[in-house]
Amino acid sequence: DAGVTQSPTHLIKTRGQQVTLRCSPKSGHDTVSWYQQALGQGPQFIFQYYEEEERQRGNFPDRFSGHQFPNYSSELNVNALLLGDSALYLCASSLSEELRNTIYFGEGSWLTVV
Amino acid sequence: AQTVTQSQPEMSVQEAETVTLSCTYDTSESDYYLFWYKQPPSRQMILVIRQEAYKQQNATENRFSVNFQKAAKSFSLKISDSQLGDAAMYFCAYFLGSNYQLIWGAGTKLIIKP
Repeated sequence: DAGVTQSPTHLIKTRGQQVTLRCSPKSGHDTVSWYQQALGQGPQFIFQYYEEEERQRGNFPDRFSGHQFPNYSSELNVNALLLGDSALYLCASSLSEELRNTIYFGEGSWLTVV
Repeated sequence: AQTVTQSQPEMSVQEAETVTLSCTYDTSESDYYLFWYKQPPSRQMILVIRQEAYKQQNATENRFSVNFQKAAKSFSLKISDSQLGDAAMYFCAYFLGSNYQLIWGAGTKLIIKP
């Protein structure tokens, strides 16, 4: 049973560019959340997707957008990259009926903006 | 404000000894869950232990236990018989069902001395 998988593992982008990060949830999970973890800090909630809709959003600008596909996988898109967007991006999957009990994380995608 | 405070940026303990990591939180919600996650150098968040706020009994998972003081909004983690593999960043977090997100502390770096 595969856990949460994220790709790519590492990537380097230039300021102003756009990036897409991908996440496949754990088998059987239908809810995907994205978190940003800057170096030396705890994660910050970006948004959560359920039934292909953004259900909840944290305090992030519109440059951050996402999508969930019918197979529950998800993408995180960041436009007009800033140096401050450099961080580890974590994907978490869960089962909607048991959100608080079944939160599993992927290994993250390291984004460096230069 | 919904916050989590981990007042110890770094803790050090001798192998086989016991260490306690502190966490306090602030929320006006009554329905929430508390978590301790471990983040090793691989960066994947691993669930250590979970506590339901409505339960008075402290959660225990093998060598890991919590001291949950709801009135004081305190949620400390005790690690008994520390092992070299316990070395990692430890994050305290709580989950709000009302907005579907985990609120995280800044983390405590745990060093195990052989």
